[in-house]
Amino acid sequence: DQQVKQNSPSLSVQEGRISILNCDYTNSMFDYFLWYKKYPAEGPTFLISISSIKDKNEDGRFTVFLNKSAKHLSLHIVPSQPGDSAVYFCAARIQGAQKLVFGQGTRLTINP
Amino acid sequence: DTAVSQTPKYLVTQMGNDKSIKCEQNLGHDTMYWYKQDSKKFLKIMFSYNNKELIINETVPNRFSPKSPDKAHLNLHINSLELGDSAVYFCASSPEPQGNNEQFFGPGTRLTVL
Repeated sequence: DQQVKQNSPSLSVQEGRISILNCDYTNSMFDYFLWYKKYPAEGPTFLISISSIKDKNEDGRFTVFLNKSAKHLSLHIVPSQPGDSAVYFCAARIQGAQKLVFGQGTRLTINP
Repeated sequence: DTAVSQTPKYLVTQMGNDKSIKCEQNLGHDTMYWYKQDSKKFLKIMFSYNNKELIINETVPNRFSPKSPDKAHLNLHINSLELGDSAVYFCASSPEPQGNNEQFFGPGTRLTVL
C-alpha cells in the first residue's frame, strides 16, 4: 500500500507560468513533508519542506501548501523556468519514525 | 568534491551472482541510508545506519546485507541476485536519523540482472 501518491506522472507548463505539483497521502500520522527534485542521472536533491502544524511554506519561487483535512499537499513554482524541468518527489515522515516515505514522482517539463 | 558518491554507476550481471555497491559521504553526517527505486518509480527505504549501527531494516530479503565500516561508508552487498533486484539503488545521508533533516542523495546505481 502506497501511503504517498503523486497521481500525475507528468506535467507540461509554459515558461513563466505557474507549475502546480500535487501529492496525496493516506497516513494521518505523517507530521513532516518534503519535496525533492531530481535531474536525470543524479540523485534527488532537497527543495522545500513543511511541518504539519503549518499550512504554507514559501522559499523564493517555491511554495508548498498543506491541506491536512484533505491529506493533500502541493508545490507551486512561479514563475516556472526551463531549469525547473525535472522529476519532483513528494516525501513524508511518520511522527516519531526515522524514515521518509516517498511518492513515485511527477516529471515536470517547462516549455520555452 | 561530491558529497555522496556511489560506485559503480551501472552494474549489469547475471542471475545468481553476488555483487556489491559502495557508498561514501564526505559531509560528516551520522546517518546513512539505502533506497531502492523500483519499476513503478517509488523510492523505498531499505536500510538506515546511524553511527555504524543499523536503525532501520525494512522488509528486505536477507540476500541484501548492508555493511558500515565507518560513519562515512555504507556498502550494500547482494547475494544470489534475482531478476527482481533490477532497479536503481540510491545511497543517502543526513546529519541525524530524524526524518525532518533533509537527506543528501548519491547519483544512484542502476543494477540490471539478466
